[in-house]
Amino acid sequence: GQNIDQPTEMTATEGAIVQINCTYQTSGFNGLFWYQQHAGEAPTFLSYNVLDGLEEKGRFSSFLSRSKGYSYLLLKELQMKDSASYLCAVRDLTGANNLFFGTGTRLTVIP
Amino acid sequence: EPEVTQTPSHQVTQMGQEVILHCVPISNHLYFYWYRQILGQKVEFLVSFYNNEISEKSEIFDDQFSVERPDGSNFTLKIRSTKLEDSAMYFCASRGTGRSSSYTFGSGTRLTVV
Repeated sequence: GQNIDQPTEMTATEGAIVQINCTYQTSGFNGLFWYQQHAGEAPTFLSYNVLDGLEEKGRFSSFLSRSKGYSYLLLKELQMKDSASYLCAVRDLTGANNLFFGTGTRLTVIP
Repeated sequence: EPEVTQTPSHQVTQMGQEVILHCVPISNHLYFYWYRQILGQKVEFLVSFYNNEISEKSEIFDDQFSVERPDGSNFTLKIRSTKLEDSAMYFCASRGTGRSSSYTFGSGTRLTVV
């Protein structure tokens, strides 16, 4: 089974840095994804980690520790448009490598 | 940039009726998925499809659900006899081969069962 935990809500100030944590316990692990989802819209891909360490992509970075079952998404220089839900998702080891999502963290960026 | 296309964007149906949700995955992708998201809840895995057959399915995907790839481009989800609790946003996704291949989601079909 899959158990993926994230904080439900976070608030941060425009221009600041925010870290969104994700912990997971899964029966099989084949990578961790972060997606952004605006209300009523589809999830859009942000980042992917399969090995331990930090992946940087512009204002967004994602970190993975497989031994701890832990990941975080770091958003720098926050903008108002970053207000959205951020979804942590784990890929399993089945044939189609299915993706399983956490509950998502709703981030509100305030002026 | 290639897109996954879903139609219709909204569907209202009466309880007990059959619905078919349509998806056109990205053309060179080989793996296809259906997810649903009940309002305010998490995105839930329903089923995966590869090589013209179901690869895995979740407990949600019971006998009322079926998937088809009737031609080389469409990928459909059918709910035979809808229930009120089937009301949700349904997302189709596809991905290519390769370990780092990301999953591309369609814009979803909002299904309302009344």
